[in-house]
Amino acid sequence: DTVMTQTPLSLSVTPGQPASISCKSSQSLLHSDGKTYLYWYLQKPGQSPQLLIYEVSSRFSGVPDRFSGSGSGTDFTLKISRVEADDVGIYYCMQGLHLPPTFGQGTKVEIK
Amino acid sequence: EVQLVESGGGLVQPGRSLRLSCITSGFTFGDDAMSWFRQAPGKGLEWVGFIRSKTYGGTTEYAASVKGRFTISRDDSKSIAYLQMNSLKTEDTALYYCTRGRRLVVGGTLLFDYWGQGTLVTVSS
Repeated sequence: DTVMTQTPLSLSVTPGQPASISCKSSQSLLHSDGKTYLYWYLQKPGQSPQLLIYEVSSRFSGVPDRFSGSGSGTDFTLKISRVEADDVGIYYCMQGLHLPPTFGQGTKVEIK
Repeated sequence: EVQLVESGGGLVQPGRSLRLSCITSGFTFGDDAMSWFRQAPGKGLEWVGFIRSKTYGGTTEYAASVKGRFTISRDDSKSIAYLQMNSLKTEDTALYYCTRGRRLVVGGTLLFDYWGQGTLVTVSS
């Protein structure tokens, strides 16, 4: 299985400050169609996961532009330009190229 | 508005069976794959399996941990996906989510974009 490794596992951020989460995969997520199948989800407390970013850098419908994704191959990053109170929760990266789809361990983001 | 509502969870003894349902609305059900994920208490997310749309053969894929015990099916006429769970084990205790699996391009992989709220399955004697 493709192993997804996230760092850090927890993050405490002052509102208005940026935050960054790294995700590394054990094998390339680049498909022969030229797309890279790396996704980011946020699971807010008591809620189901919600899709933030797909194919490394495309924001899903309704996702604020303070969220951005970047990376290629096996190294990826999610950035929040200015953290807000509503951004608290656990962030997961997930790869969708290789079966089975696999998730990182999750990064818990809290507000200072 | 895309909606997915899971039901059928509950307390069940080890070795018994349970069937979960995922009632959907707001999209053309037959066009998309449907997938199940789970989350054990206090743990991360785990993919369980998915069923492709009829266009892609309606075939299924499963995680190794559930293969041979769990079966995913779909009723396109009712826009419902099912997860039949047999020979349940205590380690199957989790919140089970159904998701839509959308293929953005022909031949591309699935994007699990919309998730239900989940239904809790507890396997205990």
